[in-house]
This record gives sequence, C-alpha cells and structure tokens, in this order.
Amino acid sequence: AQTVTQSQPEMSVQEAETVTLSCTYDTSESDYYLFWYKQPPSRQMILVIRQEAYKQQNATENRFSVNFQKAAKSFSLKISDSQLGDAAMYFCAYRSGDTLAGSYQLTFGKGTKLSVIP
Amino acid sequence: EAQVTQNPRYLITVTGKKLTVTCSQNMNHEYMSWYRQDPGLGLRQIYYSMNVEVTDKGDVPEGYKVSRKEKRNFPLILESPSPNQTSLYFCASTKTSGLSYNEQFFGPGTRLTVL
Repeated sequence: AQTVTQSQPEMSVQEAETVTLSCTYDTSESDYYLFWYKQPPSRQMILVIRQEAYKQQNATENRFSVNFQKAAKSFSLKISDSQLGDAAMYFCAYRSGDTLAGSYQLTFGKGTKLSVIP
Repeated sequence: EAQVTQNPRYLITVTGKKLTVTCSQNMNHEYMSWYRQDPGLGLRQIYYSMNVEVTDKGDVPEGYKVSRKEKRNFPLILESPSPNQTSLYFCASTKTSGLSYNEQFFGPGTRLTVL
C-alpha cells in the first residue's frame, strides 16, 4: 500500500517570503500522480498543483512550484512571495496511474498547517 | 456550474440515530467516493463507486454503508452512528474515461458531530 508522509505539522512564513513544505511517499509503482491540495478555513479542498511521475520537469503554477525527486520519493511544495491568503492546511496526496485497477483513490498525508505572518 | 454538492453541511446527532449524508454531482462522472478527515490523520477513503450499482470499500469502511442507484448520487449512510464517527466528511467525483488524468472534484464537506 502507498503511504504519504508530511513531517511538518505546522510551519510559518513571513509575508512576501518563500516557504517549502515537505512530502515523501512510498510506492512500488512507476506510474502515478502527486498532488498538493490547499484547505483554507472554509474547509474546501482546492487543488494547487499536480505532478505526473513520468514527467521529469517540475510542475509550476504561478507562485507555486514543486521539487519532484522520483528516486528519493520526495515531492516538496515551494510557495514564493507568500500572501496572507496562502494561510491554510496543505495536504500532499498520491494517486495510482493504474486506472485499470479500478481505483482512483487519493492517499493523503496528514497535512501541514501554514501560517503567514504579516 | 460544475459541482459536487453535499447535504447537510452541518449535523449534530445522537448515538444510534440513523442518518444519511447526500452527495450529488452534475458532471456525469462515473467515479464517486467518500472521505473522512480527522485532525492529525488527513483524509481517508471510506467507500468508492466506479459506476451505478458498483461500490467497494476504501480504507475505513466500518460503520458506513453506501449505495449508487443513480449515476449522479452517492449517499453515505450511518445506520447506527457512534461518537468515533464525529468527523468532517467529503464526497468527491471524477471522470474515468478519456485522458488518463482527470481531476477529482470535492464537495464542500459535511461536519458531523455524534453525541
């Protein structure tokens, strides 16, 4: 079974600074997807960024980028120019690429609560 | 607007009183699932459904039932709720045809408290 580990329960960053959230995962599969979800106080789950395992290039979405190290099974999220609206719980998640297995299950880490200091 | 809806959004109930949390999607998605979120545990899958009349257990199915009689609806049933089922519940759906990757859409969440 796949596991996802987020070792930082809480983090804080100064507004306009850069912060990196860590995530490691364990899998025996070669085809999979990795995600970062943001959960603000509204509790809505918002997809921040996605990485396909077969892609060597790291995904970027505006101020959000990832450092995907496939061999090390590491998938960190970098938030640049942090804003007050970035304060939220962030979840790292894994999904198998093998849809024939019949499961689109997302396996989540325990989350990292990010605070942004004005 | 494409969306997943859940009802109710908040519910306080007592031990043993049967309840149903509804989930509906308007995107004609084949796959639907339920997750529960608990502090320090992240989200864990309860049940999922690949299509109408096809359901299967996730990682934490004990104490829950589901049904999928229509493609758009996937209700979560707690026949005899207990306090350890106090949690935040999310319904999610995704398309399974076409591209290998299809985004999962989440509902707004249902906060359930069992006294």
